[in-house]
Amino acid sequence: QLQLQESGPGLVKPSETLSLTCTVSGGSISIISYYWGWIRQPPGKGLEWIGSIYYSGSTYYNPSLKSRVTISVDTSKNQFSLKLSSVTAADTAVYYCARLHLTASIDYWGRGTLVTVSS
Amino acid sequence: SSELTQDPAVSVALRQTVRITCQGDSLRSYYASWYQQKPGQAPLLVMYGRDNRPSGIPDRFSGSSSGNTASLTITGAQAEDEADYYCNSRDSSGNQVVFGGGTKLTVL
Repeated sequence: QLQLQESGPGLVKPSETLSLTCTVSGGSISIISYYWGWIRQPPGKGLEWIGSIYYSGSTYYNPSLKSRVTISVDTSKNQFSLKLSSVTAADTAVYYCARLHLTASIDYWGRGTLVTVSS
Repeated sequence: SSELTQDPAVSVALRQTVRITCQGDSLRSYYASWYQQKPGQAPLLVMYGRDNRPSGIPDRFSGSSSGNTASLTITGAQAEDEADYYCNSRDSSGNQVVFGGGTKLTVL
């Protein structure tokens, strides 16, 4: 059974960079027809796609976040990572890592990790 | 702003049928997927493609699509179906992923 687990700091200061890693277990990250992505959900609000990466390294980002987002993959560790720069309180959210089919259907999700932006 | 539009809230009487809709131009080209999210939990995929249920999803859940509208129907809603429901698909360009704003389903 595929499992995804987010890890990283739960508290980030304003203007700094948020960094999260997703570790994939129970299957290979180097799989065709699937992307690996990040989705976030501010408290009490809806889901927002941040971006996705293919195991080859091709990336796709939400245009509204593109200038601040970098997603990378490390196939040797079966991990992919998110960096979001110049964070503000508006970036406070539960961050999920997930597996996305080419159709955008998301069949596996991590449990999510709350990241709070505060000084 | 979301390119997929959902009604913010819908209610249904216990054991009755409810349809949750999702509208957007991208749905003319791409199928929607549907997710159920209960408080404190990660979303759960309940429908994808034309009308496909992942393993373990009850057959009271069904999906359909027409034009720019996708629908998730629950036939015989149960108390445990009370949750937030989100749709998503690729956007009109095909390069991005978009979510609807979510529908809060209340089972009365």
